[in-house]
Amino acid sequence: DTGVSQDPRHKITKRGQNVTFRCDPISEHNRLYWYRQTLGQGPEFLTYFQNEAQLEKSRLLSDRFSAERPKGSFSTLEIQRTEQGDSAMYLCASSFKGSYEQYFGPGTRLTVT
Amino acid sequence: DAKTTQPPSMDCAEGRAANLPCNHSTISGNEYVYWYRQIHSQGPQYIIHGLKNNETNEMASLIITEDRKSSTLILPHATLRDTAVYYCIVRVLFFGNTPLVFGKGTRLSVIA
Repeated sequence: DTGVSQDPRHKITKRGQNVTFRCDPISEHNRLYWYRQTLGQGPEFLTYFQNEAQLEKSRLLSDRFSAERPKGSFSTLEIQRTEQGDSAMYLCASSFKGSYEQYFGPGTRLTVT
Repeated sequence: DAKTTQPPSMDCAEGRAANLPCNHSTISGNEYVYWYRQIHSQGPQYIIHGLKNNETNEMASLIITEDRKSSTLILPHATLRDTAVYYCIVRVLFFGNTPLVFGKGTRLSVIA
């Protein structure tokens, strides 16, 4: 499978714990995006990278959130001191600069208890 | 990006055409209309996009009104696998691929 992959698919954590998600984009896609989706809502943009450079961060990305894309390949999204409001689906997408389509992964569903 | 308005839900009989409307009355001249869909428990999937001419691909057709203030996505022969949330997005195609701004979309239920 050469699509966008995300790991883990599901994560249950207790409030206050730290969690880290991984996204592997389609090979040679130089743009990578993170979105968050809560129940009944469309995905909301969090941040995106071009190669290893983080180009934009949404106001939704509080200080507890950090994203990296070392070497411009896979990316990680870390949430520190999780809160119940962080419970959501975290989606990753990738694209090639100049293309019109973003390819989404299956998402990581986070539940904070 | 301009705001879009879509009905929250629609039903369609299997085998019939599904016509999903989208209003984008404040669209700018350099903004394209994109459609994505999201099947339950999956990430969104690109369907089609257009600027002002009607477009067709293997998945769907996109009809944009002459004033570009609204559009309709047409699934010509809906199947049960087309049951999903459909998102209409307007955005500038500028220097590659910028983040998408999703609304709540239309939940399409295809009924046998």
